[in-house]
Amino acid sequence: RKEVEQDPGPFNVPEGATVAFNCTYSNSASQSFFWYRQDCRKEPKLLMSVYSSGNEDGRFTAQLNRASQYISLLIRDSKLSDSATYLCVVGNNRLAFGKGNQVVVIP
Amino acid sequence: NAGVTQTPKFRVLKTGQSMTLLCAQDMNHEYMYWYRQDPGMGLRLIHYSVGEGTTAKGEVPDGYNVSRLKKQNFLLGLESAAPSQTSVYFCASSPSRVVTEAFFGQGTRLTVV
Repeated sequence: RKEVEQDPGPFNVPEGATVAFNCTYSNSASQSFFWYRQDCRKEPKLLMSVYSSGNEDGRFTAQLNRASQYISLLIRDSKLSDSATYLCVVGNNRLAFGKGNQVVVIP
Repeated sequence: NAGVTQTPKFRVLKTGQSMTLLCAQDMNHEYMYWYRQDPGMGLRLIHYSVGEGTTAKGEVPDGYNVSRLKKQNFLLGLESAAPSQTSVYFCASSPSRVVTEAFFGQGTRLTVV
């Protein structure tokens, strides 16, 4: 089983709509959780950390479910500039990256 | 503040040639990593270092060597390049291994022909 699994998509989202996706992780001892954003041909950049209590940053909401070992990201009121690949990242003794969820926001 | 800088940004090698990719960080981070990213494969860890003078193997270490002689630099070497090593290589650093984010360089696009 892969350490971090994501459905690559693409997720085609009308502008202004809400999109949500999950990733699952296999190591129950994982200690840290992040969502990274990667634009085409660019380096990954931290979008937000993910906590058990859930956290929100503007239009972005992240949740962690330790019991079921999944992390979610929700984007509200999608903008064209949200088009990117969103990488789920889980940390234990090293950072493990999912393959990413590709989001395409359509005008 | 430059963050993480990778050189070169692009390179074309012939099969069998050798080269070294340089990663430099100015954030005084202890941990440094080399990843490769291929279409449909996501980011895969090649080697990493938990401090000056230390290195460790990641998921896909074969065909690569690394050195961390100075805290700020992490070098990735290809002794005899193969077409399977055509990829985008990312270096990253973090102040600690687990609890904090990693900061990435801009990547090196390597093509082996």
